[in-house]
Amino acid sequence: AQTVTQSQPEMSVQEAETVTLSCTYDTSENNYYLFWYKQPPSRQMILVIRQEAYKQQNATENRFSVNFQKAAKSFSLKISDSQLGDTAMYFCAFGDSNYQLIWGAGTKLIIKP
Amino acid sequence: KAGVTQTPRYLIKTRGQQVTLSCSPISGHRSVSWYQQTPGQGLQFLFEYFSETQRNKGNFPGRFSGRQFSNSRSEMNVSTLELGDSALYLCASSLEAGLLREQFFGPGTRLTVL
Repeated sequence: AQTVTQSQPEMSVQEAETVTLSCTYDTSENNYYLFWYKQPPSRQMILVIRQEAYKQQNATENRFSVNFQKAAKSFSLKISDSQLGDTAMYFCAFGDSNYQLIWGAGTKLIIKP
Repeated sequence: KAGVTQTPRYLIKTRGQQVTLSCSPISGHRSVSWYQQTPGQGLQFLFEYFSETQRNKGNFPGRFSGRQFSNSRSEMNVSTLELGDSALYLCASSLEAGLLREQFFGPGTRLTVL
């Protein structure tokens, strides 16, 4: 069975710092998709970034980038120049060939002023 | 465009009762997925509907069921409620049903079972 592990239940950094959230997964599939979603306090979940496993180039969306290491089955999220609005729960998710999303337990990120 | 809406936002039921939750996707979106979110288990996939057909189902008992209407609105039903069904139920819609699809989430329905 596919699993997604986020080993950091909670992290906090100062505003403007760079923070990296870790995510590892376990699968025997070769073609899959990886996602980072963000759930701000009392607000709706939104997609941050996504990566197709067959693409070697790491995805980037403005201040958000990933470090995708397929062999190591690692998919970390880097947030540069962190802002107060980045405070949220961050979920890593794995999309398998059955069109299901398997989710990690989440990392609570707090950006301190 | 209006976002994904879910009704009701909060619900309190007692064990043994049944409940129906509703989700209206973004206009034009044909795929609707349902998730259960609990502090201990994170998000768990319940099922996905695309063009009124259930495409996929997670590992939940038969007490959990759903359907999708021709206008893409979806309902989820839980019968014979148990205390462990207390959770935030999230609905997400997407334009298509591909793997890389971006899902747009609703605010959720907070279900409390007493």
